[in-house]
Amino acid sequence: QSVLTQPPSASGTPGQRVIISCSGSSSNIGSNPVNWYQQVPGTAPKLLIYSSNQRPSGVPDRISGSKSGTSASLAISGLQSEDEADYYCATWDDSLNGVLFGGGTQLTVL
Amino acid sequence: QVQLVESGGDVVQPGRSLRLSCAASGFTFSTYAMHWVRQAPGKGLQWVAFISYDGSKKYYADSVKGRFTISRDNSKNTLSLQMNSLGYEDTGVYYCARPIFNYGGPPGYWGQGTLVTVSS
Repeated sequence: QSVLTQPPSASGTPGQRVIISCSGSSSNIGSNPVNWYQQVPGTAPKLLIYSSNQRPSGVPDRISGSKSGTSASLAISGLQSEDEADYYCATWDDSLNGVLFGGGTQLTVL
Repeated sequence: QVQLVESGGDVVQPGRSLRLSCAASGFTFSTYAMHWVRQAPGKGLQWVAFISYDGSKKYYADSVKGRFTISRDNSKNTLSLQMNSLGYEDTGVYYCARPIFNYGGPPGYWGQGTLVTVSS
């Protein structure tokens, strides 16, 4: 069972805005930055957000991240069919001395 | 650009050993911490092990502690994972990953993965 809690599924219609949450604790999200990844089944994860709210080059600005306290969020605006994938949050945990991943959220574009 | 290429995945019987390798290029390997992350079939991502830039610090997930050993050869830009006493639960795709920042943190760059199948 993941210590970072994500909803197992999310959905939206094209053009809509979807928000995926990631809940942790003081030893992980509360004290460390969060990364977000997109993974299409059968491929390696792709970095979408690092340091909680920074986009790597090539990631469109309709994708954004935020963090408050022990929770983080990924927002995808202007939903497109190609956004249909699995999304994971991750951060370092100071108690574990390791990386924690959320359980993943499967995003469906209706 | 950052390139990470894993190799060594195979079909192995329970209780046997396997060694994975990751060839790194496109960055100064010796200045970055590294991770191994795995993904069981149909499941989520699971962190396996971390090694600091100079190999002085190594951390493991509880599920692999005492069985897996992470190591690196900075002269060859290579990361390794020695896996002993393999069990069915170790089946999955193993990714070599580099943090965004050289001091550590969660993965930023990923290899394509190598498949380990534990089967009798």
